[in-house]
Amino acid sequence: SAVISQKPSRDICQRGTSLTIQCQVDSQVTMMFWYRQQPGQSLTLIATANQGSEATYESGFVIDKFPISRPNLTFSTLTVSNMSPEDSSIYLCSVEGTGGGGYNEQFFGPGTRLTVL
Amino acid sequence: KNEVEQSPQNLTAQEGEFITINCSYSVGISALHWLQQHPGGGIVSLFMLSSGKKKHGRLIATINIQEKHSSLHITASHPRDSAVYICAVSRRGGGGGADGLTFGKGTHLIIQP
Repeated sequence: SAVISQKPSRDICQRGTSLTIQCQVDSQVTMMFWYRQQPGQSLTLIATANQGSEATYESGFVIDKFPISRPNLTFSTLTVSNMSPEDSSIYLCSVEGTGGGGYNEQFFGPGTRLTVL
Repeated sequence: KNEVEQSPQNLTAQEGEFITINCSYSVGISALHWLQQHPGGGIVSLFMLSSGKKKHGRLIATINIQEKHSSLHITASHPRDSAVYICAVSRRGGGGGADGLTFGKGTHLIIQP
Protein backbone atom coordinates (compact mmCIF):
# COMPACT_ATOMS: atom_id res chain seq x y z
CA SER A 1 0.00 0.00 0.00
CA ALA A 2 0.99 3.66 -0.23
CA VAL A 3 0.51 6.41 2.35
CA ILE A 4 -0.09 9.83 0.84
CA SER A 5 -0.07 13.20 2.55
CA GLN A 6 -1.21 16.52 1.15
CA LYS A 7 -0.58 20.09 2.20
CA PRO A 8 -2.46 22.23 2.90
CA SER A 9 -5.50 20.28 4.04
CA ARG A 10 -7.67 23.30 3.39
CA ASP A 11 -7.33 26.93 2.43
CA ILE A 12 -9.44 29.98 1.76
CA CYS A 13 -8.01 32.19 -0.97
CA GLN A 14 -8.83 35.44 -2.67
CA ARG A 15 -9.80 35.66 -6.32
CA GLY A 16 -6.82 36.19 -8.62
CA THR A 17 -4.25 34.56 -6.36
CA SER A 18 -2.53 31.18 -6.78
CA LEU A 19 -2.21 28.21 -4.45
CA THR A 20 0.30 25.37 -4.63
CA ILE A 21 -0.77 22.00 -3.26
CA GLN A 22 1.87 19.47 -2.26
CA CYS A 23 1.55 15.70 -2.44
CA GLN A 24 4.06 13.40 -0.69
CA VAL A 25 4.08 9.60 -1.01
CA ASP A 26 5.90 7.24 1.33
CA SER A 27 7.24 5.11 -1.52
CA GLN A 28 8.56 5.66 -5.02
CA VAL A 29 5.83 5.62 -7.68
CA THR A 30 5.97 6.12 -11.41
CA MET A 31 2.64 7.81 -11.99
CA MET A 32 0.86 10.35 -9.83
CA PHE A 33 -2.59 11.66 -10.65
CA TRP A 34 -4.30 14.91 -9.73
CA TYR A 35 -8.10 14.99 -9.44
CA ARG A 36 -10.66 17.70 -8.76
CA GLN A 37 -13.97 17.18 -7.00
CA GLN A 38 -16.29 20.15 -7.34
CA PRO A 39 -19.09 20.53 -4.78
CA GLY A 40 -21.67 17.80 -5.20
CA GLN A 41 -19.81 16.24 -8.11
CA SER A 42 -17.68 13.20 -8.60
CA LEU A 43 -13.97 13.27 -9.23
CA THR A 44 -12.48 14.44 -12.50
CA LEU A 45 -8.93 13.73 -13.61
CA ILE A 46 -6.93 16.93 -14.13
CA ALA A 47 -3.59 15.49 -15.21
CA THR A 48 -1.11 12.67 -14.88
CA ALA A 49 2.29 13.61 -13.49
CA ASN A 50 5.30 11.66 -14.67
CA GLN A 51 8.72 12.08 -13.15
CA GLY A 52 11.13 13.64 -15.59
CA SER A 53 8.61 14.67 -18.22
CA GLU A 54 5.76 17.09 -18.78
CA ALA A 55 2.45 16.30 -17.15
CA THR A 56 -0.33 15.01 -19.38
CA TYR A 57 -3.51 17.07 -19.09
CA GLU A 58 -7.07 15.93 -19.66
CA SER A 59 -9.44 17.75 -21.95
CA GLY A 60 -10.56 21.01 -20.36
CA PHE A 61 -7.46 21.46 -18.23
CA VAL A 62 -4.38 23.42 -19.32
CA ILE A 63 -0.88 23.82 -18.00
CA ASP A 64 -1.13 27.60 -17.60
CA LYS A 65 -4.03 27.19 -15.17
CA PHE A 66 -2.82 24.04 -13.39
CA PRO A 67 0.98 23.83 -13.60
CA ILE A 68 2.36 20.61 -12.14
CA SER A 69 5.82 19.72 -10.93
CA ARG A 70 7.18 16.22 -10.38
CA PRO A 71 10.77 16.62 -9.21
CA ASN A 72 11.19 13.05 -7.94
CA LEU A 73 9.40 9.74 -7.52
CA THR A 74 7.79 10.59 -4.17
CA PHE A 75 6.61 14.19 -4.58
CA SER A 76 4.44 16.36 -6.80
CA THR A 77 2.84 19.78 -6.67
CA LEU A 78 -0.27 21.17 -8.35
CA THR A 79 -0.72 24.93 -8.59
CA VAL A 80 -4.15 26.44 -9.10
CA SER A 81 -3.38 29.76 -10.80
CA ASN A 82 -5.35 32.99 -11.02
CA MET A 83 -8.13 31.49 -8.96
CA SER A 84 -11.82 32.22 -9.31
CA PRO A 85 -14.74 31.00 -7.18
CA GLU A 86 -15.33 28.25 -9.78
CA ASP A 87 -12.03 26.69 -8.66
CA SER A 88 -13.49 25.97 -5.23
CA SER A 89 -13.13 22.21 -4.99
CA ILE A 90 -11.42 19.37 -3.24
CA TYR A 91 -8.14 18.56 -4.97
CA LEU A 92 -6.79 15.05 -4.50
CA CYS A 93 -3.63 13.33 -5.55
CA SER A 94 -3.53 9.63 -6.18
CA VAL A 95 -1.00 6.93 -7.01
CA GLU A 96 -1.17 3.41 -8.28
CA GLY A 97 -0.03 0.60 -6.04
CA THR A 98 0.77 -2.91 -7.10
CA GLY A 99 -2.25 -5.19 -7.12
CA GLY A 100 -2.68 -8.76 -8.15
CA GLY A 101 -3.03 -9.99 -11.69
CA GLY A 102 -1.14 -7.05 -13.14
CA TYR A 103 -3.79 -4.50 -12.33
CA ASN A 104 -3.10 -1.65 -9.98
CA GLU A 105 -5.00 -0.46 -6.95
CA GLN A 106 -5.40 3.27 -6.48
CA PHE A 107 -4.47 5.09 -3.30
CA PHE A 108 -5.70 8.59 -2.57
CA GLY A 109 -4.41 11.45 -0.51
CA PRO A 110 -6.70 13.07 2.09
CA GLY A 111 -7.48 15.96 -0.25
CA THR A 112 -7.08 19.73 -0.14
CA ARG A 113 -10.32 21.62 0.34
CA LEU A 114 -10.01 24.95 -1.48
CA THR A 115 -12.47 27.82 -1.15
CA VAL A 116 -12.02 30.85 -3.39
CA LEU A 117 -13.79 34.05 -2.35
CA LYS B 1 -24.34 9.92 -21.46
CA ASN B 2 -21.71 9.36 -18.76
CA GLU B 3 -19.24 6.57 -19.36
CA VAL B 4 -19.81 5.26 -15.83
CA GLU B 5 -23.34 5.21 -14.46
CA GLN B 6 -24.28 4.34 -10.89
CA SER B 7 -27.62 3.62 -9.29
CA PRO B 8 -29.19 4.54 -7.06
CA GLN B 9 -27.90 8.07 -6.51
CA ASN B 10 -29.21 8.10 -2.96
CA LEU B 11 -30.11 5.21 -0.68
CA THR B 12 -31.43 5.24 2.86
CA ALA B 13 -31.85 1.92 4.64
CA GLN B 14 -32.30 0.50 8.10
CA GLU B 15 -29.50 -1.10 10.03
CA GLY B 16 -29.17 -4.77 9.12
CA GLU B 17 -30.55 -4.49 5.60
CA PHE B 18 -28.78 -5.98 2.59
CA ILE B 19 -27.53 -3.18 0.32
CA THR B 20 -26.86 -3.33 -3.41
CA ILE B 21 -25.29 -0.55 -5.46
CA ASN B 22 -25.02 -0.95 -9.22
CA CYS B 23 -22.52 0.33 -11.76
CA SER B 24 -22.65 0.17 -15.56
CA TYR B 25 -19.95 1.35 -17.91
CA SER B 26 -19.75 1.88 -21.63
CA VAL B 27 -16.01 1.80 -22.36
CA GLY B 28 -13.39 -0.88 -22.50
CA ILE B 29 -11.73 -1.29 -19.14
CA SER B 30 -8.75 -3.02 -17.63
CA ALA B 31 -10.17 -2.89 -14.10
CA LEU B 32 -13.10 -1.57 -12.11
CA HIS B 33 -12.71 0.02 -8.69
CA TRP B 34 -15.14 0.49 -5.83
CA LEU B 35 -14.21 3.39 -3.57
CA GLN B 36 -15.63 4.74 -0.33
CA GLN B 37 -15.65 8.44 0.49
CA HIS B 38 -16.53 9.67 3.95
CA PRO B 39 -17.66 13.21 4.84
CA GLY B 40 -14.48 15.24 4.96
CA GLY B 41 -13.37 13.90 1.61
CA GLY B 42 -11.04 10.99 2.34
CA ILE B 43 -11.26 8.19 -0.24
CA VAL B 44 -10.52 4.55 0.46
CA SER B 45 -10.19 1.85 -2.15
CA LEU B 46 -12.52 -1.06 -1.34
CA PHE B 47 -12.08 -3.34 -4.32
CA MET B 48 -10.32 -3.58 -7.62
CA LEU B 49 -11.90 -6.10 -10.00
CA SER B 50 -11.11 -7.38 -13.44
CA SER B 51 -13.40 -10.42 -13.31
CA GLY B 52 -15.58 -12.49 -11.03
CA LYS B 53 -16.21 -11.68 -7.42
CA LYS B 54 -14.33 -10.43 -4.36
CA LYS B 55 -15.28 -10.39 -0.68
CA HIS B 56 -13.89 -8.39 2.23
CA GLY B 57 -15.79 -8.87 5.47
CA ARG B 58 -19.37 -7.72 4.90
CA LEU B 59 -18.60 -6.26 1.48
CA ILE B 60 -18.94 -8.20 -1.77
CA ALA B 61 -18.17 -6.90 -5.26
CA THR B 62 -19.02 -8.63 -8.51
CA ILE B 63 -18.36 -7.81 -12.12
CA ASN B 64 -19.79 -9.11 -15.39
CA ILE B 65 -17.42 -8.10 -18.15
CA GLN B 66 -19.74 -9.18 -20.97
CA GLU B 67 -22.60 -7.08 -19.62
CA LYS B 68 -20.31 -4.24 -18.52
CA HIS B 69 -21.88 -4.21 -15.09
CA SER B 70 -20.69 -4.42 -11.51
CA SER B 71 -22.45 -4.54 -8.16
CA LEU B 72 -21.34 -3.73 -4.64
CA HIS B 73 -23.21 -5.50 -1.85
CA ILE B 74 -23.15 -4.78 1.86
CA THR B 75 -24.51 -7.46 4.17
CA ALA B 76 -25.81 -6.71 7.67
CA SER B 77 -25.46 -2.97 7.06
CA HIS B 78 -24.45 -0.71 9.94
CA PRO B 79 -24.63 3.07 10.46
CA ARG B 80 -20.85 3.24 10.12
CA ASP B 81 -21.29 2.09 6.50
CA SER B 82 -22.86 5.49 5.76
CA ALA B 83 -20.70 7.10 3.09
CA VAL B 84 -20.54 7.82 -0.62
CA TYR B 85 -19.67 4.74 -2.66
CA ILE B 86 -18.03 5.44 -5.98
CA CYS B 87 -17.53 3.18 -8.97
CA ALA B 88 -14.55 4.01 -11.17
CA VAL B 89 -12.91 2.35 -14.14
CA SER B 90 -9.38 2.11 -15.44
CA ARG B 91 -9.79 2.49 -19.17
CA ARG B 92 -8.15 -0.05 -21.40
CA GLY B 93 -5.36 1.89 -23.08
CA GLY B 94 -3.02 0.96 -25.87
CA GLY B 95 0.22 2.47 -24.71
CA GLY B 96 0.88 0.30 -21.71
CA GLY B 97 1.14 3.25 -19.38
CA ALA B 98 -1.12 3.94 -16.44
CA ASP B 99 -4.28 5.94 -16.97
CA GLY B 100 -6.24 7.84 -14.38
CA LEU B 101 -9.68 6.70 -13.39
CA THR B 102 -13.06 7.64 -14.83
CA PHE B 103 -15.59 7.99 -12.04
CA GLY B 104 -19.29 7.50 -11.58
CA LYS B 105 -21.20 10.17 -9.69
CA GLY B 106 -21.39 8.10 -6.52
CA THR B 107 -24.14 6.66 -4.36
CA HIS B 108 -24.93 8.44 -1.11
CA LEU B 109 -25.74 5.71 1.40
CA ILE B 110 -27.29 6.39 4.79
CA ILE B 111 -27.85 3.54 7.21
CA GLN B 112 -30.25 4.47 9.99
CA PRO B 113 -30.04 2.78 13.40
